Amino acid sequence: QKEVEQNSGPLSVPEGAIASLNCTYSDRGSQSFFWYRQYSGKSPELIMSIYSNGDKEDGRFTAQLNKASQYVSLLIRDSQPSDSATYLCAVGERALTFGSGTRLQVQP
Amino acid sequence: EAQVTQNPRYLITVTGKKLTVTCSQNMNHEYMSWYRQDPGLGLRQIYYSMNVEVTDKGDVPEGYKVSRKEKRNFPLILESPSPNQTSLYFCASSAGTAQETQYFGPGTRLLVL
Repeated sequence: QKEVEQNSGPLSVPEGAIASLNCTYSDRGSQSFFWYRQYSGKSPELIMSIYSNGDKEDGRFTAQLNKASQYVSLLIRDSQPSDSATYLCAVGERALTFGSGTRLQVQP
Repeated sequence: EAQVTQNPRYLITVTGKKLTVTCSQNMNHEYMSWYRQDPGLGLRQIYYSMNVEVTDKGDVPEGYKVSRKEKRNFPLILESPSPNQTSLYFCASSAGTAQETQYFGPGTRLLVL
C-alpha cells in the first residue's frame, strides 16, 4: 500500500519567517504531487501541484520535488498568522494518497 | 456558484442501520471521490469515480458502497454501519483526474453508536 509520511507538528514559526514543510512517499512510480491546506473545521483546498523535479513557485509558496529521494516539500515565505493551518501532502494520479498533515502555527 | 454539496452535514445513527450520504456537484466534473478523515490518520480515499458508471476502490473501501448513475451525483452508502465508521467524510470532484484541482464539499460528520 502506498504511504505518504509527514511530521504531524506543530511547526511553530514567527511571523515573517520561512516555514518549511516536508513529505516523503513510498511509491517510486508516483508522478503527481499536491499540497492542500486545511483550516480547522474546514475542507481541504489545493494550494500547489508539482509534477517534475525541481522547484515550482506561486506567490509566497514554493513546492520542491526530488523523485530520486522520494521527497516533496513546501516552503512558505513571509509567513503570516493567516497561514496557520494543517498542510496535507497528497500523491497520486487516479487515486490520491494523503499524508496525515503537518500543523503550522505562525506566531504574530 | 460552483460547489460540491453534501447531505446531511451531521448524522448520528445506530449500528446496522443503513444510511446514505449524498454528494452533488454543479461543475460538470467527471471525477468524483469520497474520503474519510480521522485524527492522526489524515484523509483516506474510500472510492473514486472517473465518469458515469465507472467506480474504483480507494485505500479503505471495506464497508462502503458507491454508485455513479449521473454525472453530478455520487452517493456514499453504508449498508450496515459500525462504530469504526464514525468519522468525518468529504466528497470531492475535479474536471479530469485526481491531477486536476479537487474541490471538496463541506464534510459530513457521522457518529455510529
